[in-house]
Amino acid sequence: AQKITQTQPGMFVQEKEAVTLDCTYDTSDPSYGLFWYKQPSSGEMIFLIYQGSYDQQNATEGRYSLNFQKARKSANLVISASQLGDSAMYFCAMREGPENSGYSTLTFGKGTMLLVSP
Amino acid sequence: GAVVSQHPSWVICKSGTSVKIECRSLDFQATTMFWYRQFPKQSLMLMATSNEGSKATYEQGVEKDKFLINHASLTLSTLTVTSAHPEDSSFYICSARIVRGTLSYEQYFGPGTRLTVT
Repeated sequence: AQKITQTQPGMFVQEKEAVTLDCTYDTSDPSYGLFWYKQPSSGEMIFLIYQGSYDQQNATEGRYSLNFQKARKSANLVISASQLGDSAMYFCAMREGPENSGYSTLTFGKGTMLLVSP
Repeated sequence: GAVVSQHPSWVICKSGTSVKIECRSLDFQATTMFWYRQFPKQSLMLMATSNEGSKATYEQGVEKDKFLINHASLTLSTLTVTSAHPEDSSFYICSARIVRGTLSYEQYFGPGTRLTVT
């Protein structure tokens, strides 16, 4: 089974509207972390937001928020007030194991291409 | 912030030659660096994990004799693609884990290196 599933290959949104990018995950480890990265056409991976499995509140970073539903194993990214510069590929990723684990790696989903139109 | 650089940013080489890609953490020490490979419009696939002063741990299916990884210091890891073939053409991205720091920013990514083998 895939550890990270992003079911939306592409999403369109109009400028200034909000958009939700879906991410579900699969792990039996009680301690894990979920990440969202943005990859523009230049290729660099830009960290957006992080949610730890034991965090009580949903993470927020400016216009980005993470809708964490632990029982459903979903970690959707919500971008509010979309901007043209938000057009990029978005990847959801998971780290299994505690934060201070020296050997934990990231597993990435297949990504969602977001296009923001004027 | 934590900055990771890669050199070169792009390289074209002939089939059969070897190519070395450098990954440096510029303003922090990284005990662990990761090498990823990304084909066009696909996700990042972890190739190997390298720890300073020890042998790299390769993911299943990655040829260790073809992709040589050397983590010579706490700020430098190199990936050498030996006897490159056109199928090795890809986007190679490294990331570095900070020794101490904000655990939620576990991995800092380099800007990537685009390799084209002719």
